[in-house]
Amino acid sequence: SQQGEEDPQALSIQEGENATMNCSYKTSINNLQWYRQNSGRGLVHLILIRSNEREKHSGRLRVTLDTSKKSSSLLITASRAADTASYFCATDGNDYKLSFGAGTTVTVRA
Amino acid sequence: NAGVTQTPKFQVLKTGQSMTLQCAQDMNHNSMYWYRQDPGMGLRLIYYSASEGTTDKGEVPNGYNVSRLNKREFSLRLESAAPSQTSVYFCASSDPSGQGYNEQFFGPGTRLTVL
Repeated sequence: SQQGEEDPQALSIQEGENATMNCSYKTSINNLQWYRQNSGRGLVHLILIRSNEREKHSGRLRVTLDTSKKSSSLLITASRAADTASYFCATDGNDYKLSFGAGTTVTVRA
Repeated sequence: NAGVTQTPKFQVLKTGQSMTLQCAQDMNHNSMYWYRQDPGMGLRLIYYSASEGTTDKGEVPNGYNVSRLNKREFSLRLESAAPSQTSVYFCASSDPSGQGYNEQFFGPGTRLTVL
């Protein structure tokens, strides 16, 4: 069964606005990762946050992790048309496997 | 570097036919994975190979077999295709022991339709 669940399933925003999506998971993790998938392509790693970290930044991306609530959020600031994609969280239990959520589809309107 | 390559990109099979999906990586990664992606369900792990010479079942292994041919190549075989196996298949690789975490690199996918 899938460990992570993203919310919302879909998000439509105007260019320049921020996009926030959430991920909840069930069991303890070593780290949590976010991936992006453009239409018809494979997934690409965006950012990783370890279980002992609370917040991490990479360019326009900000990830938070609350292990007490078993949840994470991904914020994309000042969105661009190129950010239109599906975003997946993946939990890493340190057992050579990642468990992916169903994803959030983000559409950025010009 | 090509990264992770998959062949074929598209395939149409009839029920009962067999085929092998090929995957190769040139990043010297120890671990390789096969996933399937269905609408609204994210990625589900079919099989993985933590290191050369080992393979293990994932979440949805029924109807599939795998071979870790060498460190670079990991193939997925459908012995008798069924319509329920219509999906997009992704291969991925990683080096969790070397990196200290399991960042996975994905191929472009194979879109399979079983009629």
